[in-house]
Amino acid sequence: SQQGEEDPQALSIQEGENATMNCSYKTSINNLQWYRQNSGRGLVHLILIRSNEREKHSGRLRVTLDTSKKSSSLLITASRAADTASYFCATDSGAGSYQLTFGKGTKLSVIP
Amino acid sequence: GAVVSQHPSRVICKSGTSVKIECRSLDFQATTMFWYRQFPKKSLMLMATSNEGSKATYEQGVEKDKFLINHASLTLSTLTVTSAHPEDSSFYICSAQKVAGAVETQYFGPGTRLLVL
Repeated sequence: SQQGEEDPQALSIQEGENATMNCSYKTSINNLQWYRQNSGRGLVHLILIRSNEREKHSGRLRVTLDTSKKSSSLLITASRAADTASYFCATDSGAGSYQLTFGKGTKLSVIP
Repeated sequence: GAVVSQHPSRVICKSGTSVKIECRSLDFQATTMFWYRQFPKKSLMLMATSNEGSKATYEQGVEKDKFLINHASLTLSTLTVTSAHPEDSSFYICSAQKVAGAVETQYFGPGTRLLVL
């Protein structure tokens, strides 16, 4: 079932600017992951944050998780044209299930 | 490592025919494989969960007789779209969960674009 909701649905920024995308979910989660998808291509795993973590960094990516608000944000710093893609959050509930529930995604366009 | 392939990457077929899509984990064994469907500019919707050697578990609203899933080995799952219709045209993506791996060891295939004429 669809759970995550990203906002904005579309984001257009200039190269060098930071891009922030948000994701909200409705039920309890075990982990939250962010994925990237180039147009018409498969998914690339970016970063995972566990329910007991609040913030995580990976290169130019920064993810936060607020379980009280059931929300997460993905920040891409110093964006590049190559960051142009759709970004999805996905949650799993744990309890032995690896099923992922994806959000609707944010389409990011980075203008050179 | 951790590569998942899908074949074919793109297929065009006539209405009424059946199409088989393969999902393979190339360098690891997968206890579980998942099949997703994605409409243009939309998110991924889980269709079914496939466990090696057992029947697939389908999500609500997904016809099991329409979308046949076979998970014959720890490295191969197939999705067959039977009697395809134009509304089945979509992007189908599989993912494979590594045996005894954590949730982040679920790897996605590159997708198969199906166009039914």
